[in-house]
Amino acid sequence: GAVVSQHPSWVICKSGTSVKIECRSLDFQATTMFWYRQFPKQSLMLMATSNEGSKATYEQGVEKDKFLINHASLTLSTLTVTSAHPEDSSFYICSARGVASGALDYNEQFFGPGTRLTVL
Amino acid sequence: RKEVEQDPGPFNVPEGATVAFNCTYSNSASQSFFWYRQDCRKEPKLLMSVYSSGNEDGRFTAQLNRASQYISLLIRDSKLSDSATYLCVVKPYAGNNRKLIWGLGTSLAVNP
Repeated sequence: GAVVSQHPSWVICKSGTSVKIECRSLDFQATTMFWYRQFPKQSLMLMATSNEGSKATYEQGVEKDKFLINHASLTLSTLTVTSAHPEDSSFYICSARGVASGALDYNEQFFGPGTRLTVL
Repeated sequence: RKEVEQDPGPFNVPEGATVAFNCTYSNSASQSFFWYRQDCRKEPKLLMSVYSSGNEDGRFTAQLNRASQYISLLIRDSKLSDSATYLCVVKPYAGNNRKLIWGLGTSLAVNP
């Protein structure tokens, strides 16, 4: 299967600071990347869909000015949590969908290992 | 009504047992269906896609009932390593909007 990495794997920051999370597809080109957030004992909630070279599409209730997404290349998308507050503490997971090919199931999303954000 | 609903469990079963999970979805036009597995504090991993004719992968069998709008996952001869949360995932739209809708997950604990 395809590999997706995330960095950092965990981060602790003070309230008011900004945190950038990187999501990379290591061995395939990801035309679309998805950013999810998961609170304890809850399901994954899609935050935004990011297509390479265009603006991200945010889900209802997700503030695009607070969660900045950049998908500048086919292998990298970044999520920046601006002015983080304790309620932003969560598990942030990205996933990537590759270019349709015989090697990859076009429907399958490959997930990064997640980034655990704790805002003090 | 939630778009995807699952019984959160937990299901506690002994090793070797057969266990089944159901998941219902609200959008009758939904296109694709999946079961993912998520271990504690880890990312979800695709377990299997669910096809209209039903499909089997080793000890795992998935079925789709479009008329009743539910999918199921059957695990036979359960192992300790099967302990995880099983997430039902639905792709409601065709075309360029490839958004997935996730259930809350069903927690399974297989006991020795």
